[in-house]
Amino acid sequence: GQQVMQIPQYQHVQEGEDFTTYCNSSTTLSNIQWYKQRPGGHPVFLIQLVKSGEVKKQKRLTFQFGEAKKNSSLHITATQTTDVGTYFCAVVYNQGGKLIFGQGTELSVKP
Amino acid sequence: DTGVSQNPRHKITKRGQNVTFRCDPISEHNRLYWYRQTLGQGPEFLTYFQNEAQLEKSRLLSDRFSAERPKGSFSTLEIQRTEQGDSAMYLCAGSLGTIYFGEGSWLTVV
Repeated sequence: GQQVMQIPQYQHVQEGEDFTTYCNSSTTLSNIQWYKQRPGGHPVFLIQLVKSGEVKKQKRLTFQFGEAKKNSSLHITATQTTDVGTYFCAVVYNQGGKLIFGQGTELSVKP
Repeated sequence: DTGVSQNPRHKITKRGQNVTFRCDPISEHNRLYWYRQTLGQGPEFLTYFQNEAQLEKSRLLSDRFSAERPKGSFSTLEIQRTEQGDSAMYLCAGSLGTIYFGEGSWLTVV
């Protein structure tokens, strides 16, 4: 069915360590989006990836879309306490229709 | 500020009562989405509109749930005969390309 698997579910890191979350699909994806949700907040759009092998950077965040367009990753370099939250990947189906979210990776950062 | 506002932000209701949530996206948002989110889970798709047309409805949306977007602007989500399992945050999102979520409406059914 329409599903994306995201791992790990939780990640606890020391401030300054790196963090990576992975999103995998059994089917080829047309695009993938990444969101961040702070504790008690709502999902906030970070980025969309469309092209095979695409890599995009936002300051300490690096987003990758796999060559086969079946997986994606978000990597944060040198985490800070402001990075705390849950990171979701999400896939748009049906030509811009419904957005299906992964289960999310909850990141906690110990100062 | 995403420009998407939701009301009420919090609602506590007794089991069996009806509740209605309202979402006001910005005028440029031709697409409008409703999601439900429980603690520790990702948002679950409920339904979405293209202008005033409801294009898709999840199987999660039982016949107790109904959503409308009468003039292609604001939208309402009504839950009839609420059950404790309906307790969740109900998120609305508007889109003209990028999807912008509102702050959500928390529902607690007691």
